[in-house]
Amino acid sequence: GAVVSQHPSRVICKSGTSVKIECRSLDFQATTMFWYRQFPKKSLMLMATSNEGSKATYEQGVEKDKFLINHASLTLSTLTVTSAHPEDSSFYICSARDEEGPGNTIYFGEGSWLTVV
Amino acid sequence: GQNIDQPTEMTATEGAIVQINCTYQTSGFNGLFWYQQHAGEAPTFLSYNVLDGLEEKGRFSSFLSRSKGYSYLLLKELQMKDSASYLCALYTGGFKTIFGAGTRLFVKA
Repeated sequence: GAVVSQHPSRVICKSGTSVKIECRSLDFQATTMFWYRQFPKKSLMLMATSNEGSKATYEQGVEKDKFLINHASLTLSTLTVTSAHPEDSSFYICSARDEEGPGNTIYFGEGSWLTVV
Repeated sequence: GQNIDQPTEMTATEGAIVQINCTYQTSGFNGLFWYQQHAGEAPTFLSYNVLDGLEEKGRFSSFLSRSKGYSYLLLKELQMKDSASYLCALYTGGFKTIFGAGTRLFVKA
């Protein structure tokens, strides 16, 4: 089946620094990718929709200058958490829409645990 | 807007059958997904229902009734590895997927 790869799986960074998370669709092209955030025992919260070749669409309450999204190719989207703070520590998950799959099935990356110290 | 309701937790016995319900209120959607998520991992795709009725896939089946705003995921012959969260999600016309809070299933021996 379709595979989405996310890297790194775990990252620790110092407060004030920036960290980049990559999301790749390995065997299909994805014009649309999604970035989610999940707190422990909570559901996925959609942060933004990443569109290849254009600006990302951010959900209400998500700071676009803090969470920079770039979707430069049909197989890669990146999320950069800028000037990270401890409250940004969370599980970040990307997903990509397989336009050839049933109902445009969404497949998830493995997720990235971010810890800001 | 959309609103999705699932029970927070359920407990079932190994080898048994369990039904996880999902009710929703929405102005419109293309289909309904069920995902499985083990602790600390990303969700994995289980099923996608567009039409009313039951879709069976091995030990897992998913049912949708659009008129009642209701879906369920049925797990048969439960195994310990089925202990996980199960997420009901609506795929909307805006190509977004809106997730419910998930149901944590505990399978006991």
